[in-house]
Amino acid sequence: DTGVSQNPRHKITKRGQNVTFRCDPISEHNRLYWYRQTLGQGPEFLTYFQNEAQLEKSRLLSDRFSAERPKGSFSTLEIQRTEQGDSAMYLCASSLVQGHNEQFFGPGTRLTVL
Amino acid sequence: ILNVEQSPQSLHVQEGDSTNFTCSFPSSNFYALHWYRWETAKSPEALFVMTLNGDEKKKGRISATLNTKEGYSYLYIKGSQPEDSATYLCVLSGDKLIFGTGTRLQVFP
Repeated sequence: DTGVSQNPRHKITKRGQNVTFRCDPISEHNRLYWYRQTLGQGPEFLTYFQNEAQLEKSRLLSDRFSAERPKGSFSTLEIQRTEQGDSAMYLCASSLVQGHNEQFFGPGTRLTVL
Repeated sequence: ILNVEQSPQSLHVQEGDSTNFTCSFPSSNFYALHWYRWETAKSPEALFVMTLNGDEKKKGRISATLNTKEGYSYLYIKGSQPEDSATYLCVLSGDKLIFGTGTRLQVFP
């Protein structure tokens, strides 16, 4: 399978716990993006990387959220002290900076905070 | 500050109505503009990528136009159907990626 993969696919946690999600992009893609979609809301851009550099971070992203892409390959998104409002689908996408930069999306990680 | 503005933020139409929405962007440093459709609980679907001023793309009942000189793109949906209900996201590719906030479309039967 050479597509974008995300783990875990589902995560249930208690309020106040920390969670970490992983995204493995398409191997030759140098850009990686994180999005969030909550029930009843539209999708929100969170952040993106070019190689290991985090180039943009949405103002919607609170200090409890942090993302890394240490070697320019896979990325992790950590949420500290989770709140019920963090319950959402977290989507990852990747693209090549060359060409038209079309994004390919992973299946998402659904987070439920109890 | 470079911004991609989408309007309206949300739109409710009746089945069969045609509709359109706008993506406005700074015309400098333009390389490509992408439209994505994002349905609830699904992964986003790429609709169009446009690079040239005057580009027009069509996919079924959905079409898009691009004006890079004045910095806007229109997305049209002809004869809206309930399955068109989604968020339509515009992304500008230039020196960096700039994301619009999306237009949420709901089509009522």
